[in-house]
Amino acid sequence: DTGVSQDPRHKITKRGQNVTFRCDPISEHNRLYWYRQTLGQGPEFLTYFQNEAQLEKSRLLSDRFSAERPKGSFSTLEIQRTEQGDSAMYLCASSTNPNIQYFGAGTRLSVL
Amino acid sequence: RKEVEQDPGPFNVPEGATVAFNCTYSNSASQSFFWYRQDCRKEPKLLMSVYSSGNEDGRFTAQLNRASQYISLLIRDSKLSDSATYLCVVRSYNAGNMLTFGGGTRLMVKP
Repeated sequence: DTGVSQDPRHKITKRGQNVTFRCDPISEHNRLYWYRQTLGQGPEFLTYFQNEAQLEKSRLLSDRFSAERPKGSFSTLEIQRTEQGDSAMYLCASSTNPNIQYFGAGTRLSVL
Repeated sequence: RKEVEQDPGPFNVPEGATVAFNCTYSNSASQSFFWYRQDCRKEPKLLMSVYSSGNEDGRFTAQLNRASQYISLLIRDSKLSDSATYLCVVRSYNAGNMLTFGGGTRLMVKP
């Protein structure tokens, strides 16, 4: 499968714990995006990388959230001190063109 | 008010019907427009871009009205496999590289 890969697919954690998600973009896609989607809503933008540089961050991205793309390939999204309101699907997308973004299957986070 | 608004539905239609979805956007700096499709518990996938002159892809027709800040999607001869959530998406030149999604309109096509 040469699409966007996300790991894990599901994560259940207790409130207050830290979690980390990984995204492997399509090879040679220099642009990588993180979005969050809750039930019945469309995806909401969190952050954007071009190669290894984090160029854009949404106001939704509180200081408990941090994202990295150290070598310009895979990316990680970490949430510290998780809260129940963090429960959502976290989607990663990659592209060579900002208009056409290819999404991964997402990581579903449940905070108990 | 959300930047991209859609009727959440669901729209329940019989096979073979024609169905239309509408979407309005509030950011006048919006420059690129799309419809994405999302199946239940799956990732969004690009269905089609929307061009100012309107465009068609098989049974799907998209229209854009910049003056009214309104986008539409028409599906003709609905198939059972068209059942999904249709997301209206815009990209604005004053919003960088992010896509702004509407909440989606759910379509259920019944036999």
